[in-house]
Amino acid sequence: RKEVEQDPGPFNVPEGATVAFNCTYSNSASQSFFWYRQDCRKEPKLLMSVYSSGNEDGRFTAQLNRASQYISLLIRDSKLSDSATYLCVVNSRGSGTYKYIFGTGTRLKVLA
Amino acid sequence: DVKVTQSSRYLVKRTGEKVFLECVQDMDHENMFWYRQDPGLGLRLIYFSYDVKMKEKGDIPEGYSVSREKKERFSLILESASTNQTSMYLCASRGAGAQETQYFGPGTRLLVL
Repeated sequence: RKEVEQDPGPFNVPEGATVAFNCTYSNSASQSFFWYRQDCRKEPKLLMSVYSSGNEDGRFTAQLNRASQYISLLIRDSKLSDSATYLCVVNSRGSGTYKYIFGTGTRLKVLA
Repeated sequence: DVKVTQSSRYLVKRTGEKVFLECVQDMDHENMFWYRQDPGLGLRLIYFSYDVKMKEKGDIPEGYSVSREKKERFSLILESASTNQTSMYLCASRGAGAQETQYFGPGTRLLVL
C-alpha cells in the first residue's frame, strides 16, 4: 500500500462548481499535512497546511480526519486559474529530519 | 522571498556521461532534498541532507550520489548517466521544524540519449 494515495483524476468541472479531493495516508504517526499545487511544467508550491481543526483560506477549505487517516481539500466557486495538479503531502519522521511524502497528485481542469 | 535555484532548466547528455545538477537556496535552510518526477509516479525522493556534509538515501538512490559541502548548496551527481534517468529533477529546501514549508526549485529536465 502506498504511504499517500490520491485519485489521479482528471476532475473536469465547470467554472463556479464546487469540487472536493480526498487523500488517504497509511502512517498513523504522521504529524503534519499539506496541500501543494503544481501547474503544468512548474514546480510544486504550498497551497495550504492542514490543521486538526480544519482550516479555510478564501475559497479553499482543508480538513483532517485522523481516525480514518485522510485529508480533504474543498474548492468552492472554481476558477479557470484553479486548473492544476493538487498534491497531498504527509510528513514522516526520517533519519535526522522529517521527510515529506508526496501523493502522485489529483489533476483538476476547470472548464469555461 | 525564498529562492531555490537550479543550475540548468534543460540538459541533454549521452549515456555514460557524468552529470552534475546543482541547487542553491538562500534561506539558510538546514534541509535540502533531491527528487525526480515522472508521469504517473509522482515525486520520488532520491537523497536528502539535514546538515552540511550529512546525506541520507531516499527511496531511489541507486545510480546517484550527492554532495553538500556548504549549507546553501546541494549537488546531485549521476556517475554514469543512463536512459532510464531521463526525468524532471527537482531540488527543495526546508527549515528544521515539522510544519515548515518546503520550497522547490524550478526543476531541471534531463534527457539522456
